[in-house]
Amino acid sequence: QKEVEQDPGPLSVPEGAIVSLNCTYSNSAFQYFMWYRQYSRKGPELLMYTYSSGNKEDGRFTAQVDKSSKYISLFIRDSQPSDSATYLCAYHSGTYKYIFGTGTRLKVLA
Amino acid sequence: DAGVTQSPTHLIKTRGQQVTLRCSPKSGHDTVSWYQQALGQGPQFIFQYYEEEERQRGNFPDRFSGHQFPNYSSELNVNALLLGDSALYLCASSFGDMGQPQHFGDGTRLSIL
Repeated sequence: QKEVEQDPGPLSVPEGAIVSLNCTYSNSAFQYFMWYRQYSRKGPELLMYTYSSGNKEDGRFTAQVDKSSKYISLFIRDSQPSDSATYLCAYHSGTYKYIFGTGTRLKVLA
Repeated sequence: DAGVTQSPTHLIKTRGQQVTLRCSPKSGHDTVSWYQQALGQGPQFIFQYYEEEERQRGNFPDRFSGHQFPNYSSELNVNALLLGDSALYLCASSFGDMGQPQHFGDGTRLSIL
């Protein structure tokens, strides 16, 4: 069983839609949860970083963590064409390495 | 505020050669991690350097080695290159303990012919 499962997409939505991106994980030791955005030919850019269950909001982005179900989500409100990118979930368990999902490709259509 | 910078941007090598990739961390950061990202995959952890020592290593062979300098910059060396080493190599920096988030550079794209 993979440590992290993430739907690779691609996911296509119209501009203005609410986007839901999801990851599941198997290691209950994971303590810290991240979402990164990666544009083509660029490095991952940190969007959200949290360590507790519940919701964390930053502008149009909301990260949701459910440790009991080992499930995290990223919601994007009022999606824009500039949100078109690959979204990576990541975790670490209090060690120094991050475990990444394979990424979900998102395309927001104007 | 300069972010993480990596050089070179692109590199083409042939099988059996050796390569050195360079990384300067974000200002104020003292820890550097290296990741390998194959096409269509998430980054895979290679190792992390802190206080000029390798602090943790992922599942990569000894052909992959690194170094951290007193100014916190870092190098990744790969010997005896294989076709499968073709990937985007990412450097990430952070400050101090494991609870701080890692910030990534734009990577070096390495192609092996």
